[in-house]
Amino acid sequence: AQSVTQLDSHVSVSEGTPVLLRCNYSSSYSPSLFWYVQHPNKGLQLLLKYTSAATLVKGINGFEAEFKKSETSFHLTKPSAHMSDAAEYFCVVSEGGYNKLIFGAGTRLAVHP
Amino acid sequence: SAVISQKPSRDICQRGTSLTIQCQVDSQVTMMFWYRQQPGQSLTLIATANQGSEATYESGFVIDKFPISRPNLTFSTLTVSNMSPEDSSIYLCSVDVRGSIVDGYTFGSGTRLTVV
Repeated sequence: AQSVTQLDSHVSVSEGTPVLLRCNYSSSYSPSLFWYVQHPNKGLQLLLKYTSAATLVKGINGFEAEFKKSETSFHLTKPSAHMSDAAEYFCVVSEGGYNKLIFGAGTRLAVHP
Repeated sequence: SAVISQKPSRDICQRGTSLTIQCQVDSQVTMMFWYRQQPGQSLTLIATANQGSEATYESGFVIDKFPISRPNLTFSTLTVSNMSPEDSSIYLCSVDVRGSIVDGYTFGSGTRLTVV
């Protein structure tokens, strides 16, 4: 069975400093992995995805993630945090290719001035 | 990318009643998914709805409680039946847009349900 673990429930950074949101996955297949962001009272927005192409994936708003099979990780990074990045972030694995999505518990990112 | 219209956006309902949530997509999609996000929690898949067949429910979810319709390739409904306060959650629909430029899953903006 597939699963995903987000290692931090809360992350707090200062504006302008790097962001690191950690995600580990468990999969019996070649996984598809996603990061979604959910701003307060808003819907989910796809940040980026990995689908067995390049291991370094670039997404929207300056975010990127690196797929590391040996470490079963898919950490999300951004070089410089912006106040507007404050939101809930979900790491997601797709079971059996494009089918059922399994969500991590989420990481709440706070950005301080 | 697909655009999803989900309604209502929020509702406050009395326990014992039912609420039907609608999900309209601006393009034809094969698979539609319904998720529940309980307060402060992550998303959990309720069921997968394919047009022309019965929905497939995940463990812990049953058709009597969450009946789903999928009459065509652009529309689906989820009903939350005989509601109790424990059903207070955000309910989201999602579609698989594989093969499109976005090539991923698009989510509706959600229905925030409060049962009193």
